[in-house]
Amino acid sequence: QTVVTQEPSLTVSPGGTVTLTCASSTGAVTSGYFPNWFQQKPGQAPRALIYSTTNRHSWTPARFSGSLLGGKAALTLSGVQPEDEAEYYCLLHYGGAQVFGGGTKLTVL
Amino acid sequence: EVQLVESGGGLVQPGGSLRLSCAASGFTFSNYWMTWVRQAPGKGLEWVANIKQDGNEEYYVDSVKGRFTVSRDNAKNSVHLQMNSLGAEDTAVYYCARLAFGGVIPRNDYWGHGTLVTVSS
Repeated sequence: QTVVTQEPSLTVSPGGTVTLTCASSTGAVTSGYFPNWFQQKPGQAPRALIYSTTNRHSWTPARFSGSLLGGKAALTLSGVQPEDEAEYYCLLHYGGAQVFGGGTKLTVL
Repeated sequence: EVQLVESGGGLVQPGGSLRLSCAASGFTFSNYWMTWVRQAPGKGLEWVANIKQDGNEEYYVDSVKGRFTVSRDNAKNSVHLQMNSLGAEDTAVYYCARLAFGGVIPRNDYWGHGTLVTVSS
């Protein structure tokens, strides 16, 4: 059973920069896993942020960027805003199936 | 405007069945894969199933194989999730999401607001 691992929680100061990562139990994450990132706030549905490692959706603020970093997928938030406090999930594609990471709770403090 | 609206959730007894629906609008439904994702109370997201545009390919997470069936009706712009032999572990909010492909590049771009399924006696 494939497991996708994220940091359970991170804290960042307003205006700061933070990087969230996403690892696969099958080995290094590559672009072939088409990493996606989602943001979810309490009581809301997930909102798509990044697809295929680096691509922003039309509604995604430029302060969100995706990359590959040290064998993992990564989501970097630069110039963090208070409204960025949320749970963030990565999603990897394994053929026709998909697996979410456990989520990272980002606190802006 | 793309809209996805789930329905069919509710309270069901262990061992029972439930059929969820997702009504799509604002896009050419038959051109897109569709995805079901669930979220147990206080837990993370879990991918459940995907179905291809023509309904001829389906994929499931191991924990629901043999119990859940995803289907679609392109004439009615809807996707369904038939859930049988339900257990407490299936209690969750169930979301449907559009799965778009740009070439071979997948993205779950639009999501519904979810429908709550509670399995309890």
